[in-house]
Amino acid sequence: EVQLVESGGGLIQPGGSLRLSCAASGFTFSSYAINWVRQFPGKGLEWVSTITASGSADRIYYADSVKGRFTSSRDNSKNTLYLQMNSLRAEDTAVYYCAKALQWDNAFDIWGQGTMVTVSS
Amino acid sequence: DIQMTQSPSTLSASVGDRVTITCRASQSITSWLAWYQQKPGKAPNLLIYKASSLESGVPSRFSGSGSGTEFTLTISSLQTDDFATYYCQQYRTYPWTFGQGTKVEIK
Repeated sequence: EVQLVESGGGLIQPGGSLRLSCAASGFTFSSYAINWVRQFPGKGLEWVSTITASGSADRIYYADSVKGRFTSSRDNSKNTLYLQMNSLRAEDTAVYYCAKALQWDNAFDIWGQGTMVTVSS
Repeated sequence: DIQMTQSPSTLSASVGDRVTITCRASQSITSWLAWYQQKPGKAPNLLIYKASSLESGVPSRFSGSGSGTEFTLTISSLQTDDFATYYCQQYRTYPWTFGQGTKVEIK
């Protein structure tokens, strides 16, 4: 079964750091772009980051709202995607999803169950 | 950034109704548009990609159309399982952006 499972969310104080993980199974992880998408409480979806299959630094993209604070990386040997989140703010409070892109199209066909990040003192 | 605007924000309909949701882009995205369905407490689920391609396993009552800046998602005969929130998303240009969502409610 094709699956993505996020972990690492929790309660963190403003200014703190957190690392999310997204463990993949059931497909050739190294062949696909993977994305982070967040959903603010009771609200819509916001794209956060895309890391292409190669994972090279020039092929990682970020939303302006997180650029310079969040870093996406992947370990293809572990079939795992990471999102390092630094300098967290209250407005980063959201459910964070990882989502796999289709092979020849960038729509998100497989999503994880999400992990909640709460930034509060 | 490309702004995506969905209409309506909320739609009340009955089982069996034909339902249409519109998504407008602030500039041309050719056909790089996806539609997702989301139910409370769950992750979004891909319905349509590249504006009109039906994702595998999605019922044929869902269809997408449009290109450039105007797109529609149509549910030909609304079923109980279709009451949910629907989002469009452009992936023509970074940052990829979503519409604000359309909630389909029971009339």
